[in-house]
Amino acid sequence: GENVEQHPSTLSVQEGDSAVIKCTYSDSASNYFPWYKQELGKRPQLIIDIRSNVGEKKDQRIAVTLNKTAKHFSLHITETQPEDSAVYFCAASDANAGNMLTFGGGTRLMVKP
Amino acid sequence: SAVISQKPSRDICQRGTSLTIQCQVDSQVTMMFWYRQQPGQSLTLIATANQGSEATYESGFVIDKFPISRPNLTFSTLTVSNMSPEDSSIYLCSVAGTSGRPYNEQFFGPGTRLTVL
Repeated sequence: GENVEQHPSTLSVQEGDSAVIKCTYSDSASNYFPWYKQELGKRPQLIIDIRSNVGEKKDQRIAVTLNKTAKHFSLHITETQPEDSAVYFCAASDANAGNMLTFGGGTRLMVKP
Repeated sequence: SAVISQKPSRDICQRGTSLTIQCQVDSQVTMMFWYRQQPGQSLTLIATANQGSEATYESGFVIDKFPISRPNLTFSTLTVSNMSPEDSSIYLCSVAGTSGRPYNEQFFGPGTRLTVL
């Protein structure tokens, strides 16, 4: 089955700096890669996703890149703000095999004011 | 997007008992899933809840321990049976195939925080 590795497990940045979180996956059949943000005590919220026919996607201060050959994808947050502090999860799924998500281990992002 | 609710939001239970968690969506969805999130950990898929048939369980999870029902396109239940302290966790339902959204986008319910003494 799919295995998703996520790095780093914790990341501390100064407000205004950029943050990058990286994930690798093992199943070449995976074709959908969402990112979730989970604040303390809250549900995971879908913030951005990318499909295998696209190399990069951007939404305001967040962007995701995908390298299918290397089987890795990354989340980029620019101009970080204290409200970006949360745990971020990457995930992968094969949309042709039931849509089940396999999650990475999570990254705790701390943005220091 | 769909509004997803779960009941109860939290519970404290005695070992050996069972708890049934409900997940309700305000509109019909194609797929419903159940995940477990242990304290400080990532999310692990327990099973896919199939409407009108038996759930599809992931490795390490069995029907006798986690029976699941999905009687229609808006509702599912997960039962945690014969609980032990190791079952203390947050249980989350998620849905995919909501109206107006790409079919593989998954949205999560608020979760049920279970503590087993």
